[in-house]
Amino acid sequence: QQQVKQSPQSLIVQKGGISIINCAYENTAFDYFPWYQQFPGKGPALLIAIRPDVSEKKEGRFTISFNKSAKQFSLHIMDSQPGDSATYFCAASISGANSKLTFGKGITLSVRP
Amino acid sequence: NAGVMQNPRHLVRRRGQEARLRCSPMKGHSHVYWYRQLPEEGLKFMVYLQKENIIDESGMPKERFSAEFPKEGPSILRIQQVVRGDSAAYFCASSPPDTREKLFFGSGTQLSVL
Repeated sequence: QQQVKQSPQSLIVQKGGISIINCAYENTAFDYFPWYQQFPGKGPALLIAIRPDVSEKKEGRFTISFNKSAKQFSLHIMDSQPGDSATYFCAASISGANSKLTFGKGITLSVRP
Repeated sequence: NAGVMQNPRHLVRRRGQEARLRCSPMKGHSHVYWYRQLPEEGLKFMVYLQKENIIDESGMPKERFSAEFPKEGPSILRIQQVVRGDSAAYFCASSPPDTREKLFFGSGTQLSVL
């Protein structure tokens, strides 16, 4: 049973466009939802995270939208750049429960110049 | 402040040999997590350790795998009698004591079993 599911599996966007990656979760006890960015040969790096008490969080060109009733959250990358080409993972965890993250399978984003 | 350091970056072992993967957390971080990543898969939690204690090993295979985080020195993930299915990227992450959810990952060790 996959507790965190991402869609689409891959995404190609033109430079300057908006990249949207979706994530759905099953465990209603999850209360911390980060997005990680991974470049080839590197470890994942925390991009942005949200908790269920807010519906949206923005940091620069990156925005998380959160829908608690639908058990979904999404990452929006505005003005996408070729340097944003990477694999993106959504994840979820339960505060206090050892903080171990449950990851989605990841999606590969390609931003074309 | 150096990041999470993992070594070696690449490790080749023959079936039946032992693999030892090392992880030095970021300075000031007292929590260490090990994750495994298979091709086309997300990261799977293996084990969570604090100094000299295993807190959660629910993701560790019952046999051949062990982990430690001694009082001095790096955390070690040990795989005995490796099999081809152990080939994967193994990532270590650490977190500070006050914000345990914020994990900082190393660059990983790519284990290849021949």
